Amino acid sequence: AQSVTQLGSHVSVSEGALVLLRCNYSSSVPPYLFWYVQYPNQGLQLLLKYTSAATLVKGINGFEAEFKKSETSFHLTKPSAHMSDAAEYFCAVSSLSDDYKLSFGAGTTVTVRA
Amino acid sequence: KAGVTQTPRYLIKTRGQQVTLSCSPISGHRSVSWYQQTPGQGLQFLFEYFSETQRNKGNFPGRFSGRQFSNSRSEMNVSTLELGDSALYLCASSFLLHNEQFFGPGTRLTVL
Repeated sequence: AQSVTQLGSHVSVSEGALVLLRCNYSSSVPPYLFWYVQYPNQGLQLLLKYTSAATLVKGINGFEAEFKKSETSFHLTKPSAHMSDAAEYFCAVSSLSDDYKLSFGAGTTVTVRA
Repeated sequence: KAGVTQTPRYLIKTRGQQVTLSCSPISGHRSVSWYQQTPGQGLQFLFEYFSETQRNKGNFPGRFSGRQFSNSRSEMNVSTLELGDSALYLCASSFLLHNEQFFGPGTRLTVL
């Protein structure tokens, strides 16, 4: 079975500060990992994905994430927050053990202070 | 290329009624998945269809059903609605099974 834990349901950052969103996964087999962003009243947009290639993954809007197998983590970072980054972020995992169904974390809401 | 479209965007029903939600995938995509999003349970997988066949199903009661048509469009149906079925229902499409999924804007269902 697979699962995702996102540490922190709410994160508040100042504009220009580092954004760090934490995600830990559980999977008995090599996973595929994803970060999605959801703006109010919208669907989910893929930010980036890890599919067993490079462990440091660069995504859209300046976000990146690093896959650390030893820590079973896939934390999302952005060096400098922008007001437009205010949204809810979801980490997700899929793997052969769960027939590649996407399992999502509970989400982290990011607030950006001016 | 047009994205995933879902209709209707908003829906209000009363307990006991049934509802049908529609999803049109990105052109050329053959796989469609459905998810339920609620504040309490978060995002939960409902089912996945590929080439008109259900390939995967989540842990939802039989009141939740779906189908996919030959043009890859998909519908999901919820019968005998309960208050707890109030949620945002998201559809996602991918080119093939297990590929990157692209999400639609969702249908917000309110059950009174």
